Amino acid sequence: GAGVSQTPSNKVTEKGKYVELRCDPISGHTALYWYRQSLGQGPEFLIYFQGTGAADDSGLPNDRFFAVRPEGSVSTLKIQRTERGDSAVYLCASSSGTNTGELFFGEGSRLTVL
Amino acid sequence: GENVEQHPSTLSVQEGDSAVIKCTYSDSASNYFPWYKQELGKGPQLIIDIRSNVGEKKDQRIAVTLNKTAKHFSLHITETQPEDSAVYFCAAYSTYGGNQFYFGTGTSLTVIP
Repeated sequence: GAGVSQTPSNKVTEKGKYVELRCDPISGHTALYWYRQSLGQGPEFLIYFQGTGAADDSGLPNDRFFAVRPEGSVSTLKIQRTERGDSAVYLCASSSGTNTGELFFGEGSRLTVL
Repeated sequence: GENVEQHPSTLSVQEGDSAVIKCTYSDSASNYFPWYKQELGKGPQLIIDIRSNVGEKKDQRIAVTLNKTAKHFSLHITETQPEDSAVYFCAAYSTYGGNQFYFGTGTSLTVIP
């Protein structure tokens, strides 16, 4: 596709449930980032992939959060045992992975945990 | 790690006036400083960026300045238009430390017609 695609755009779930958020980056982009954005805040780093491997997962808040990118393209962010505090917009971004550094963001997945 | 602070959090200007948003960063290894514009319900979109070997960069009505010694950089929008109304984020990035982008907390700009 032309840009970064994220699905679902909106997800409402109950506390304790499991959710998956999907990101389809720009074709050919080797670097993929997940960010979390709470209302009125800037994007908060969660995890960065270079190819298939997680190059930096230091932003994941706890072990309920996990992300994969098995074929170096699509990535899935997985949240187990969701809590109300997980409610936020989850943004995915990709870049070509060169020193250009420009990030291209998707429109985000808004997660609401009731 | 890097800490990026952004001011002001809200800014209202009359159409045609200039707007200035300022950011500071803490990590001297940061070498790339992009600015993003985020409209309601959309993801952030890059509007201009600057690298640490440059002091100023301009693109039509938008300019960014960087002071490496003081570790601060600023976004300048001249001749503001209502469509400039959005939330603006600064960010700092280091190719030497984790390849992470650290974002400021955002500035909500309103341009009053």
